[in-house]
Amino acid sequence: EAGVTQFPSHSVIEKGQTVTLRCDPISGHDNLYWYRRVMGKEIKFLLHFVKESKQDESGMPNNRFLAERTGGTYSTLKVQPAELEDSGVYFCASSPYDRDSPFADTQYFGPGTRLTVL
Amino acid sequence: DQQVKQNSPSLSVQEGRISILNCDYTNSMFDYFLWYKKYPAEGPTFLISISSIKDKNEDGRFTVFLNKSAKHLSLHIVPSQPGDSAVYFCAASGNQFYFGTGTSLTVIP
Repeated sequence: EAGVTQFPSHSVIEKGQTVTLRCDPISGHDNLYWYRRVMGKEIKFLLHFVKESKQDESGMPNNRFLAERTGGTYSTLKVQPAELEDSGVYFCASSPYDRDSPFADTQYFGPGTRLTVL
Repeated sequence: DQQVKQNSPSLSVQEGRISILNCDYTNSMFDYFLWYKKYPAEGPTFLISISSIKDKNEDGRFTVFLNKSAKHLSLHIVPSQPGDSAVYFCAASGNQFYFGTGTSLTVIP
């Protein structure tokens, strides 16, 4: 079974430019999450999709960040315009929607996209 | 404000000995706790979890202990192996996931 994939693996852009990160969750997983880890700090929650709907976007830093999940499959996270403090590793995770499963809350992570804003 | 804390950024252990990684949390409403392992250039991988109704969960060489009164959990790895060298993240689940900053474990052959 294919895991969570993310594209690109690295992105280096200049301040003010736009970057779009993509996440393909595990097939059949209704839940999709975005996280960010700034160097040396904790992994911070950004937002949570259930299918195509935003369940919780309380972690989104500001309105320069826009996440979409068209058709409830893959998701994109766009940063426009990018600022220096947006640098970090952006992780996507997915999980199945099954409240009866003891692993309902286990999230499967992608390898991350390392974003560097110069 | 960080709700999940891992106060030891690094830990070195001799192969064959026990590794103990610690995690503290502040929110008593958390009901599910997980440990993730992360190798360089990879995403975190689920390792083991524990529900708040339990105080211990064991899976092979890995055991997680939960002390709700102290808001503390720990991960024990015994015996430690060089392949266990990685960064370990503690996570707690409430309305969303909260992660600690990670502990880098080095198992010395």
